[in-house]
Amino acid sequence: DVKVTQSSRYLVKRTGEKVFLECVQDMDHENMFWYRQDPGLGLRLIYFSYDVKMKEKGDIPEGYSVSREKKERFSLILESASTNQTSMYLCATDPDRGAYSNQPQHFGDGTRLSIL
Amino acid sequence: AQTVTQSQPEMSVQEAETVTLSCTYDTSESDYYLFWYKQPPSRQMILVIRQEAYKQQNATENRFSVNFQKAAKSFSLKISDSQLGDAAMYFCAYRAGTYKYIFGTGTRLKVLA
Repeated sequence: DVKVTQSSRYLVKRTGEKVFLECVQDMDHENMFWYRQDPGLGLRLIYFSYDVKMKEKGDIPEGYSVSREKKERFSLILESASTNQTSMYLCATDPDRGAYSNQPQHFGDGTRLSIL
Repeated sequence: AQTVTQSQPEMSVQEAETVTLSCTYDTSESDYYLFWYKQPPSRQMILVIRQEAYKQQNATENRFSVNFQKAAKSFSLKISDSQLGDAAMYFCAYRAGTYKYIFGTGTRLKVLA
């Protein structure tokens, strides 16, 4: 079974802090994703990575950056946290390089982040 | 732009009954994949069922089945013999031509004992 581990289930930070959310996968998957989940808005893609050191912006990248120095680890960084970044953050992976793939994504448990 | 719409924010079903969750999507692609994911209160999202657009036959997985209408761009999920453990958020998702998945806004399913 694929295991996607997010470093924290709950996190409380203050406005202006630099925040790191970590995601580690154990199945050698090529693609890794960071989503934000808000009620009524579903999942919105922040960034994704299809290879080590490679990243692409998703639909809502503003205020975030990412790092993928090793294949198994994908970090989401809030450069200067703001209250409107309070949300649930989900990490996901999938194994395929190609497009038109029917492979599902595998998700972590999520991190509930509160910015005070 | 590709979009996925789930028009039912919340649904309820009696235990042992059948419920159908709706999903429509908009695309100009001819080759794509559709998924239903379940997110129970414990929060880990898991795959329920998937459908390849080139397949005419509707996918089934035990009590879960889909009604895929390609021309209408509709992909509904039917849950038969509903169980208390089916209570969750259900997300419809689409993927074609890129690494990206597009998710709907979700439907919260309540199962009444």
